[in-house]
Amino acid sequence: QKEVEQDPGPLSVPEGAIVSLNCTYSNSAFQYFMWYRQYSRKGPELLMYTYSSGNKEDGRFTAQVDKSSKYISLFIRDSQPSDSATYLCAMSAWRGIYNQGGKLIFGQGTELSVKP
Amino acid sequence: EPEVTQTPSHQVTQMGQEVILRCVPISNHLYFYWYRQILGQKVEFLVSFYNNEISEKSEIFDDQFSVERPDGSNFTLKIRSTKLEDSAMYFCASSAEREVDYEQYFGPGTRLTVT
Repeated sequence: QKEVEQDPGPLSVPEGAIVSLNCTYSNSAFQYFMWYRQYSRKGPELLMYTYSSGNKEDGRFTAQVDKSSKYISLFIRDSQPSDSATYLCAMSAWRGIYNQGGKLIFGQGTELSVKP
Repeated sequence: EPEVTQTPSHQVTQMGQEVILRCVPISNHLYFYWYRQILGQKVEFLVSFYNNEISEKSEIFDDQFSVERPDGSNFTLKIRSTKLEDSAMYFCASSAEREVDYEQYFGPGTRLTVT
């Protein structure tokens, strides 16, 4: 079983739609969860960061973490053509007292296209 | 807004040559990372660096790879003898030291092409 699984899509939605992106994971040590947006051949851009379980909202974006189900989600409200990109989930465990953790494990990325 | 910068943006090299990829992390960050992304594949962790030493490395990070923080601002990745399969985007990332600040900020990447 892969540590982090993400449906690669592609996902195509009309402008204004609500988009739901999801990842599942297997490692119960993960506590820190991030969503990145990546354009072709560019660096990942941090969108949302969540520690442990719960919801976090930032403008049109909402991140949810359900540690009991090992499932995280990113919702995009009122999607715009400029939201078209690949969305990556990433997660890490506690660094530990010897600072040996903290590496991010990424999902495959979901390619999103928002049509005008 | 502070950002991670990387140079060069694109490096073409011949197999067997040494390359050095450079990064300037965000100035008050203390954790530094290198990741790579082969075209069409997921982003993979290579190495993390804290307090002037490697804190963790992946299986990919073999003896051909090394990292260095030569001064207070730069963080470099050296590949001693490049192989065709080293062709990829290489991303540098950094994060702050505080317990709750695990967010990693990525640079724009260096596209390495080995011919």
